[in-house]
Amino acid sequence: QVTLRESGPALVKPTQTLTLTCTFSGFSLTTGGMCVSWIRQPPGKAPEWLARIDWDDDKYYNTSLKTRLTISKDTSKNQVVLTMTNMDPVDTATYYCARTPQWLGAKYYYHAMDAWGQGTTVTVSS
Amino acid sequence: DVQLTQSPSFLSASIGDRVTITCRASQDITTYLAWYQQKPGRAPKLLIYVAFNLPSGVPPRFSGSGSGKEFTLTISSLQPEDFATYYCQEPGGTFGPGTKVDIK
Repeated sequence: QVTLRESGPALVKPTQTLTLTCTFSGFSLTTGGMCVSWIRQPPGKAPEWLARIDWDDDKYYNTSLKTRLTISKDTSKNQVVLTMTNMDPVDTATYYCARTPQWLGAKYYYHAMDAWGQGTTVTVSS
Repeated sequence: DVQLTQSPSFLSASIGDRVTITCRASQDITTYLAWYQQKPGRAPKLLIYVAFNLPSGVPPRFSGSGSGKEFTLTISSLQPEDFATYYCQEPGGTFGPGTKVDIK
């Protein structure tokens, strides 16, 4: 059974750095084709993809946010960490992590997000 | 970056209706499109990957088609649990703006 769970602060102040951790089970980020993404969703808006890390440690970022984002993985702990600097009230959202395989066994997913965490709500306010 | 548009942004339908949602990409993405269903307070759920593939557990009333720049999600016979918001997504990460399906 694949599970993902996001953890991190519920409230951050403007200009602070947000650090979120995704702890997963049921798969390994050392397996070829495996990837994990972070996505956020402001209230009432569409999801916005933030970043992705692949099994081979390749990293990809949302073009408009890349200067603020860093994604990393700890395969021994089955965790993916996202940091976002210089937080602003417009960054208030629910933040999700999701499994995002390029392929899984014999099936190609091309980074469709087939398993999601429940999300963690982050509010940016002084 | 690829941009996605969806139409309609909102539709009102009845139980048993056939519903079609369209997603258009700003550039050719071959068949690399996914569709998600999201209910209030829940994470999105994968419905379709690579344009027309259903993950296990997704009812066969859902189907996807298309290639290149234009794709469709069809619900053949709308059920009460299908009232939700639907998003398309391309492999670079971009999501469409969503289509809310509401009860007529």
